[in-house]
Amino acid sequence: AQSVAQPEDQVNVAEGNPLTVKCTYSVSGNPYLFWYVQYPNRGLQFLLKYITGDNLVKGSYGFEAEFNKSQTSFHLKKPSALVSDSALYFCLVKAGNTGKLIFGQGTTLQVKP
Amino acid sequence: DVKVTQSSRYLVKRTGEKVFLECVQDMDHENMFWYRQDPGLGLRLIYFSYDVKMKEKGDIPEGYSVSREKKERFSLILESASTNQTSMYLCASSSWDPKEGEKLFFGSGTQLSVL
Repeated sequence: AQSVAQPEDQVNVAEGNPLTVKCTYSVSGNPYLFWYVQYPNRGLQFLLKYITGDNLVKGSYGFEAEFNKSQTSFHLKKPSALVSDSALYFCLVKAGNTGKLIFGQGTTLQVKP
Repeated sequence: DVKVTQSSRYLVKRTGEKVFLECVQDMDHENMFWYRQDPGLGLRLIYFSYDVKMKEKGDIPEGYSVSREKKERFSLILESASTNQTSMYLCASSSWDPKEGEKLFFGSGTQLSVL
């Protein structure tokens, strides 16, 4: 079965430290990969995506993500976390051959001052 | 900027009521989706539509139906609301570009409580 896993329900980071939010997937075909962020009482906002090309993609608010085909991962990273980055983060994968969109279960990021 | 508007931010309904959740997008997108969001379960697809009057079941369609009479509007209907349908409901629309791929745009969500 096709699936997307975010293995951590919550990630806690001190402000100024680097952060990583993990995502692994199992889908058929070449995937399209996305990260979305949800702030409290808001809808989801697009952060970044990988379609083809350079494995390291840069997105909004200083976030970046690295596509690793051999490990089927697409981890979200930021070199220096801000308190305002605290939110719920979702990994989204579009299966290449079926076009089905599959969400991970979400990871809450808490950045403490 | 693309706007996806959900008509209600909060709704409280009673068990057995018929409930309509409305969603409107202003970018002429062909694809529209309804998800429900529950803690620890992420977003689960209820129904989607690739064109007017066209609908497809998602992963959890039971207890729901949809209507797409106009391109910009996609309605989710709970024929007889039950307490296990208490959830956050998110509408989305999407665009497709051969170079950029697909991009989903979400509404702010409707928090539905069924008592």
